[in-house]
Amino acid sequence: DQQVKQNSPSLSVQEGRISILNCDYTNSMFDYFLWYKKYPAEGPTFLISISSIKDKNEDGRFTVFLNKSAKHLSLHIVPSQPGDSAVYFCAASRGNYGQNFVFGPGTRLSVLP
Amino acid sequence: EPEVTQTPSHQVTQMGQEVILRCVPISNHLYFYWYRQILGQKVEFLVSFYNNEISEKSEIFDDQFSVERPDGSNFTLKIRSTKLEDSAMYFCASSEGLAVTGELFFGEGSRLTVL
Repeated sequence: DQQVKQNSPSLSVQEGRISILNCDYTNSMFDYFLWYKKYPAEGPTFLISISSIKDKNEDGRFTVFLNKSAKHLSLHIVPSQPGDSAVYFCAASRGNYGQNFVFGPGTRLSVLP
Repeated sequence: EPEVTQTPSHQVTQMGQEVILRCVPISNHLYFYWYRQILGQKVEFLVSFYNNEISEKSEIFDDQFSVERPDGSNFTLKIRSTKLEDSAMYFCASSEGLAVTGELFFGEGSRLTVL
């Protein structure tokens, strides 16, 4: 049961261009969403989050957009840099006491110089 | 910058043996978690822990698993009798507050290989 989907296993982008990573979810009870970046042999690191009361959140080069009616969110990275090359995980939570985040399978982003 | 630390970084064990993975969460955090990632698969939630008790656990977290906070700093995951399919990277995480306010801070992971 894939509650959080990232349908693109990989994405390649030229340095300086925009990277758009997509995420879809099925559980309408999710109300808090996060993006994590993961380098090989390291734990996931938090990038940016958005709660369901917003449709956009921006932090430097990273912007997350949430479309609740479509149950879709996306992460935009502008401009993309080679150091952004990593696996990006979308995660969602019901905001419940236990904070059980459900992770998507990840998208491997390669930023080409 | 404070960080979550995990030991060991890699453990190899025989099937049926007990394994304890250790974590030191960030000191002012109140919520603790274990996640795992089987090679090539997604990160999966195992268990969350708050106020010295399990607050939520997944179907993966069966009777073979247990967690403990034996002192004020460590948070451990014990696998009582390891199986081949327990081979994975295990990530500890901690957070300051509840889901709507805080993100999870992950450790670098402990790779468990069960032979």
